[in-house]
Amino acid sequence: QKEVEQDPGPLSVPEGAIVSLNCTYSNSAFQYFMWYRQYSRKGPELLMYTYSSGNKEDGRFTAQVDKSSKYISLFIRDSQPSDSATYLCAMSGTSGGSYIPTFGRGTSLIVHP
Amino acid sequence: NAGVTQTPKFQVLKTGQSMTLQCAQDMNHEYMSWYRQDPGMGLRLIHYSVGAGITDQGEVPNGYNVSRSTTEDFPLRLLSAAPSQTSVYFCASSYIQGPGYGYTFGSGTRLTVV
Repeated sequence: QKEVEQDPGPLSVPEGAIVSLNCTYSNSAFQYFMWYRQYSRKGPELLMYTYSSGNKEDGRFTAQVDKSSKYISLFIRDSQPSDSATYLCAMSGTSGGSYIPTFGRGTSLIVHP
Repeated sequence: NAGVTQTPKFQVLKTGQSMTLQCAQDMNHEYMSWYRQDPGMGLRLIHYSVGAGITDQGEVPNGYNVSRSTTEDFPLRLLSAAPSQTSVYFCASSYIQGPGYGYTFGSGTRLTVV
């Protein structure tokens, strides 16, 4: 079992829908949680960053962390065709002072007009 | 524009050839790393560096070498290319290796080994 599990999709939704992207993890030492967005043939770009449990909102995006269930989510409200991309979760802890993140495999999202 | 620059964008190698993938950043980031991205495998860390003169191995270091002589540059060398090294390679940097600092990725190098 990988430390971080993420359904590769693709997830196809109509424009305007609320999108929920999720990752589960097994390492209880993870405390820092990130979401990256990767457009086709581009490098990933940092979208959201959260520490420990709770919610964080940025515009149409909300990141949610439930450490008790080892489950993180990214919600996208009023989804747009420009949101079509692969979304990667990443998480890290403080093992030995290293914050090197472990990435999920990414979920492909398609928002159709 | 400030960021991470990778060259070349595309490369085809024959088995056994060697080459260097270039990575340069102009953000004065201390931390730099190399990843490979393969379908179904996600991003896997090859090597990383926490500062000039300091490098360490990641998850999949075999067949690759790195050096960090300056803060700005972090080249990745393929010693003797194999078809298993066909992949998309990304260089990433961060101000430091620590919480709250996300990575800035380059646009990638698509490598095919035949």
